[in-house]
Amino acid sequence: DTEVTQTPKHLVMGMTNKKSLKCEQHMGHRAMYWYKQKAKKPPELMFVYSYEKLSINESVPSRFSPECPNSSLLNLHLHALQPEDSALYLCASSQGAEWIQYFGAGTRLSVL
Amino acid sequence: GDSVTQMEGPVTLSEEAFLTINCTYTATGYPSLFWYVQYPGEGLQLLLKATKADDKGSNKGFEATYRKETTSFHLEKGSVQVSDSAVYFCALKDTGGFKTIFGAGTRLFVKA
Repeated sequence: DTEVTQTPKHLVMGMTNKKSLKCEQHMGHRAMYWYKQKAKKPPELMFVYSYEKLSINESVPSRFSPECPNSSLLNLHLHALQPEDSALYLCASSQGAEWIQYFGAGTRLSVL
Repeated sequence: GDSVTQMEGPVTLSEEAFLTINCTYTATGYPSLFWYVQYPGEGLQLLLKATKADDKGSNKGFEATYRKETTSFHLEKGSVQVSDSAVYFCALKDTGGFKTIFGAGTRLFVKA
């Protein structure tokens, strides 16, 4: 099983809402990532968790709050987002020296 | 810092045409190099990789050779199909840390 599953696929939220994105993998990977991808752009790294500990935070605004409850799950909690936060949010995982990243299909987020 | 430069698109080809997408990189040390592909509405998936100089990665008829002397990793395919229409990202992973550096992406359209 080389699948990374992201839910929901689509999310529309207002600027005062609180919502969460979920990512799950069962490949035994110990590194998990959140990326933000705007239209016609490459993915931008937001956060990296290694062995359930936050290893990288790419100066992401505090309205994005990541959480890694266990080795298979990664959440991204959203609060008081801005319209410019509308994007495709991708989760990925990797393991070992080859550093191949396995991506989910993403959550397409619209902030109104 | 490390960076990846790839040719701007979009690239439009007829079915069965030869494809080249140029990619050059700047990095210290000996990075691993990757091509990822993103089909419409999906996340990225690994197309091929190479981990050391002169390695050739290949998959689904696509090939790329790690050329250290020219710091390049050009993607080629002898005969493209309509189903190859997608965005292609060249990427590198340096020898330390968790970051993968992505190029800007090249959109390929293949006409029947």
